[in-house]
Amino acid sequence: EAQVTQNPRYLITVTGKKLTVTCSQNMNHEYMSWYRQDPGLGLRQIYYSMNVEVTDKGDVPEGYKVSRKEKRNFPLILESPSPNQTSLYFCASSFLRNTEAFFGQGTRLTVV
Amino acid sequence: SQKIEQNSEALNIQEGKTATLTCNYTNYSPAYLQWYRQDPGRGPVFLLLIRENEKEKRKERLKVTFDTTLKQSLFHITASQPADSATYLCALDNQGGKLIFGQGTELSVKP
Repeated sequence: EAQVTQNPRYLITVTGKKLTVTCSQNMNHEYMSWYRQDPGLGLRQIYYSMNVEVTDKGDVPEGYKVSRKEKRNFPLILESPSPNQTSLYFCASSFLRNTEAFFGQGTRLTVV
Repeated sequence: SQKIEQNSEALNIQEGKTATLTCNYTNYSPAYLQWYRQDPGRGPVFLLLIRENEKEKRKERLKVTFDTTLKQSLFHITASQPADSATYLCALDNQGGKLIFGQGTELSVKP
């Protein structure tokens, strides 16, 4: 089944403790991206990647890192999480940047 | 400044009627525009994509129009059903690799 898989689905952590949210797709898609969704602010793009080893900042990249060492994986790294990074995170992939995007199930992150 | 705006107020309609949702944008020149459906706590699901050289696109009960002069897209659901109740998001590319989403419009279809 074609899908984007994120892990974990839920995470509660403390300020400053490094964490990684994994994202994997099995559709051989070139384009992958990370979004955060907050009430009243909608979906905002954090980082995107057009291909392996190519990543670019989205609209809200501060406090986040990504890597794209393999085509299928695009982990999101929070080196030193802060409470303002409490949010619902989505990973997405598409064949190209201007084709339909497939979204993961979401990761609800709480930083205390 | 660049903006993409959808009706922030929820849209409530009766079953069987046509729902029309609006997406307006300023200071973008998108090559295409997409519409997604999102249910609470779940990831958006792709519905339709329309390109700048297309005026209208249809898929079953869904219809999307794209007017680059008015800088507006309309999304229609005909013969609406309670199962169509969800939040609908429009998204456009900024021709720089980014996909920008509107905040979404919540649709509620009453039986």
